[in-house]
Formats: sequence, structure tokens, C-alpha cells
Amino acid sequence: AQSVTQPDIHITVSEGASLELRCNYSYGATPYLFWYVQSPGQGLQLLLKYFSGDTLVQGIKGFEAEFKRSQSSFNLRKPSVHWSDAAEYFCAVGRNNNDMRFGAGTRLTVKP
Amino acid sequence: DADVTQTPRNRITKTGKRIMLECSQTKGHDRMYWYRQDPGLGLRLIYYSFDVKDINKGEISDGYSVSRQAQAKFSLSLESAIPNQTALYFCATSGPIRGGWNEQFFGPGTRLTVL
Repeated sequence: AQSVTQPDIHITVSEGASLELRCNYSYGATPYLFWYVQSPGQGLQLLLKYFSGDTLVQGIKGFEAEFKRSQSSFNLRKPSVHWSDAAEYFCAVGRNNNDMRFGAGTRLTVKP
Repeated sequence: DADVTQTPRNRITKTGKRIMLECSQTKGHDRMYWYRQDPGLGLRLIYYSFDVKDINKGEISDGYSVSRQAQAKFSLSLESAIPNQTALYFCATSGPIRGGWNEQFFGPGTRLTVL
């Protein structure tokens, strides 16, 4: 069965530091890849997505992600974290018409 | 006004009761989804609908049923609620994409507690 792994349950970074959140998936073909962010008490909001083409994609709020086919990864990055980035981040992977899986999420804490 | 709304936002009920969660959207999307979120498990797809006449089971449909009353409305029912259905439930919508998945727009969630 397809699975999505976010190895880090919780990450703490200092404001202004760089950030990388990891996402790996188990699926042979190139799936549809997404990163969503969930602020406390809120629904999920799309940060970015990858379907095909350039493997480095830019999203909102200064985030980017890189698709690496050889590693089955789609890691999320930000060069300089802001206190408002504190939230939970979910990687999601979709394939064909009937399978969409989310990772368990990574909670980001930002230290002043 | 929010594009995707869910009612109620919070619900506490007892084991064995029938519960309906409702979702409405003003985005004009044909595709609608129901997920549940549990700590440490992320979101899991319960049911999805690509149009009014097309309803499909997701990863965890047992114990749930849905109704697509109109393009804009998609309801989730728990026929006989049990405690392990305590969770945060999200409705989502998306626009069309051939043979794949598009960006989903999520409602604010319904927190359901089954005692």
C-alpha cells in the first residue's frame, strides 16, 4: 500500500534559521505531491504542489520544495523562518483517481 | 464568507447515536471529500465524490456513509457512533484534473467527541 512518511514529528528552530521538513513516499510512479500547513484551530492550506516539470517548486510564504525521484522524496524548505511559520505541516501524495494519503505531520516550533 | 463551511463545529454525542456532519461550498467545485484527523496519523480519506452521482469509498469508510445532496453540499453520517470515531473531521473541495489530484480547499473542521 502507498505510504507517506514524515520522519520528524516535532522540529524546533530559531527565528531566522533555515528549515527543512522531510517527506518520503512509497510509490513507483511519480505521484501528485503536496505540502499543506495547518495553523492551530484551522483547516489546511496549500503551500505548494508538484505534478510534473521543474523539480524545484516555489510556494507561498517563501517556501519551496524539491522532488527527487531517485529518493522518492519531496522535502519542504525555507531559508529563513519567521515566528508566524509555527504550525503543523503535512505532506500529501495522490495517485490515480482513488488514493490520497497524508503523512502524520511535522509540528514546527519557532524559538525567538 | 468562507468558501467551505462545516456544521456543527463541535459536537459531543453518546455511543450508538446517529450523527450527521454537513459541508457546504461556494467554490463551484465538483469534487468534495471527507477526512478525519487523528493525532499522529495525519488525515485519512473517508469518502470522496467527483460529482453528484459519483461517490467513492476512501481509505477508512467503514462505519460512515455520505450523501451528496447537490454540487455544493456533501454530508457525512455516522449511523451508530462509537468512541473510536472521536476525531477532527474535515471537508474539502477541489477543481477538476484529468486522472489525478488537484489542490484541495479545506473547511475549518468539526470536532466530534463520542462518549
